[in-house]
Amino acid sequence: SHDLTQAPSVSVSPGQTATITCSGDKLGDKYSSWYQQKPGQAPVLVIYQDSKRPSGIPERFSGSTSANTATLTISGTQAMDEADYYCQAWDGDTAAGVVFGGGTKLTVL
Amino acid sequence: QLQLQESGPGLVKPSETLSLTCTVSGASITSHTSYWAWIRQPPGKGLEWIGSISHGGTTFYKSSLRSRVTISVDTSKNQFSLKMISVLAGDTAVYYCARAWRRAFDPWGPGTPVTV
Repeated sequence: SHDLTQAPSVSVSPGQTATITCSGDKLGDKYSSWYQQKPGQAPVLVIYQDSKRPSGIPERFSGSTSANTATLTISGTQAMDEADYYCQAWDGDTAAGVVFGGGTKLTVL
Repeated sequence: QLQLQESGPGLVKPSETLSLTCTVSGASITSHTSYWAWIRQPPGKGLEWIGSISHGGTTFYKSSLRSRVTISVDTSKNQFSLKMISVLAGDTAVYYCARAWRRAFDPWGPGTPVTV
């Protein structure tokens, strides 16, 4: 089991907006990150500190948080965005208390 | 450009010890802004944080693994390592090392598969 809950799968048509959510107790009080993982590859960070994009990540990826939910939004979804997406929370200032969600398979139909 | 590379045996017998090393290139492992982490992914399943270590050697472990795991750093080789004792079939996974950066993990090594 995982401390963070994600829907197993989400489907979206090309060009549409994909929304992937992650829920957990007091998630809004923690820093959330999102990772994209394609088959056979290591995860890639796409959002950190709730809403920041690392260098090289397209602007169509955005993140937000509320009280108990973190949301990854992909605007104008492309076929290349089909992947597994994992949320991750970091509780506090130290490197302890790290948890991942179970992952969401994004299918671009 | 910061890069990480895992290395170690791909097959470990039950009850024995798993030892993996992560070699860091493109930056010093003693950077005061970085922690270093091990994360694993069982076949067909999600990601699981194992633990992290600071450049100074302060360690943090997932509570359910704490009794079996040790993470250490070798600054002379710019490496950090994972040791897991008494492995079970459930420890079969791809093991990743990563830099802990701004409360996230980036970049990651390519991962190394371990079968128990």
